[in-house]
Amino acid sequence: DGGITQSPKYLFRKEGQNVTLSCEQNLNHDAMYWYRQDPGQGLRLIYYSQIVNDFQKGDIAEGYSVSREKKESFPLTVTSAQKNPTAFYLCASSNEDIQYFGAGTRLSVL
Amino acid sequence: AQSVTQPDIHITVSEGASLELRCNYSYGATPYLFWYVQSPGQGLQLLLKYFSGDTLVQGIKGFEAEFKRSQSSFNLRKPSVHWSDAAEYFCAVPQRGGYQKVTFGTGTKLQVIP
Repeated sequence: DGGITQSPKYLFRKEGQNVTLSCEQNLNHDAMYWYRQDPGQGLRLIYYSQIVNDFQKGDIAEGYSVSREKKESFPLTVTSAQKNPTAFYLCASSNEDIQYFGAGTRLSVL
Repeated sequence: AQSVTQPDIHITVSEGASLELRCNYSYGATPYLFWYVQSPGQGLQLLLKYFSGDTLVQGIKGFEAEFKRSQSSFNLRKPSVHWSDAAEYFCAVPQRGGYQKVTFGTGTKLQVIP
């Protein structure tokens, strides 16, 4: 089945540690996105990529980094510079007007 | 800049009752409009979309929404709510043309009581 796979489902980060969230899609979409979701704040855009080897900062990119080496993959690294990383992270991909979402990764701080 | 407002943070309805979730938008032209649903701990699923044409849009799971330009609204409705409809609902406005940036509302959490 076509879709977006995020892993792991749960992730724990220690102080000063970088962690990477995986996002893979087999929908053949060019564009991919990362959102952060906090209670009562909706979805906030972290990074997006319209094409391989190109990506742009969203509204809250500080403390995060991404890469887009393959069309299918768009991993997100939460760096130690992100002081409040506890949140639910959603990856999406789109074909023109509609975004499709993965099941999310919940990141917590130990 | 485009914006989306969902004035109700939390709504409780009885199973079998009708439902209306409010969404107001601010956009310079005729917008595209979406409604998504999110079950606890899950990603977002597209319920329905409005691009143009008929202002009453049918979606999945028995939901519908009506675009009202005069009120800048795109309210989501369902005639009879089921317990499985308990979830969080997001209204969204995509930026038209070029890169597909989407502005999401802050969501309305629906509780269904027996």
